[in-house]
Amino acid sequence: DAGVIQSPRHEVTEMGQEVTLRCKPISGHNSLFWYRQTMMRGLELLIYFNNNVPIDDSGMPEDRFSAKMPNASFSTLKIQPSEPRDSAVYFCASSLPGTLNTEAFFGQGTRLTVV
Amino acid sequence: GENVEQHPSTLSVQEGDSAVIKCTYSDSASNYFPWYKQELGKRPQLIIDIRSNVGEKKDQRIAVTLNKTAKHFSLHITETQPEDSAVYFCAASIRGSQGNLIFGKGTKLSVKP
Repeated sequence: DAGVIQSPRHEVTEMGQEVTLRCKPISGHNSLFWYRQTMMRGLELLIYFNNNVPIDDSGMPEDRFSAKMPNASFSTLKIQPSEPRDSAVYFCASSLPGTLNTEAFFGQGTRLTVV
Repeated sequence: GENVEQHPSTLSVQEGDSAVIKCTYSDSASNYFPWYKQELGKRPQLIIDIRSNVGEKKDQRIAVTLNKTAKHFSLHITETQPEDSAVYFCAASIRGSQGNLIFGKGTKLSVKP
């Protein structure tokens, strides 16, 4: 398995534009997490899904942020409209909770810059 | 919900010395405590974890201790090496259910040769 795959790796966009980040979890994992990492706030959990269902989205900062998981192998995080303060590295991670091997595997992240 | 506090935010040690990073958590239902290492420009990766039925776990130069009564856990790195320099994150979650990982804010460890 190639691990958690995120795209794009880097995204530069202008303020006000829509941004869509994509994630493919490890096959067979049924939990998927979106995190945002900044120097000031560290690794923040934005939302997580279990069996494609959003369980906790309390970390989503504003209504401008939305996430979907239409099937077990794909998720998106959308920001519309984007703002400079959204600049960060966004990580997707997946895991298989409830088993002995409960490690969360991270993707390589998407570095978002909003100018 | 769960809240994880991590200290210190930065730590500088001489090569060969030990490093200790401490975390506290708030939700007594949490029962899984992993530690992740993130090298510059890379993704966080699991280095060791501990579950609530164990008080201590060791893997070569790294060890983790857990005190459930006090709700804190610590990472110990002995005989530090320059390649240990990275940001370390602790986390807590409720495993066996729809547990999510809540992370501390990280500790930047610098090991000086």
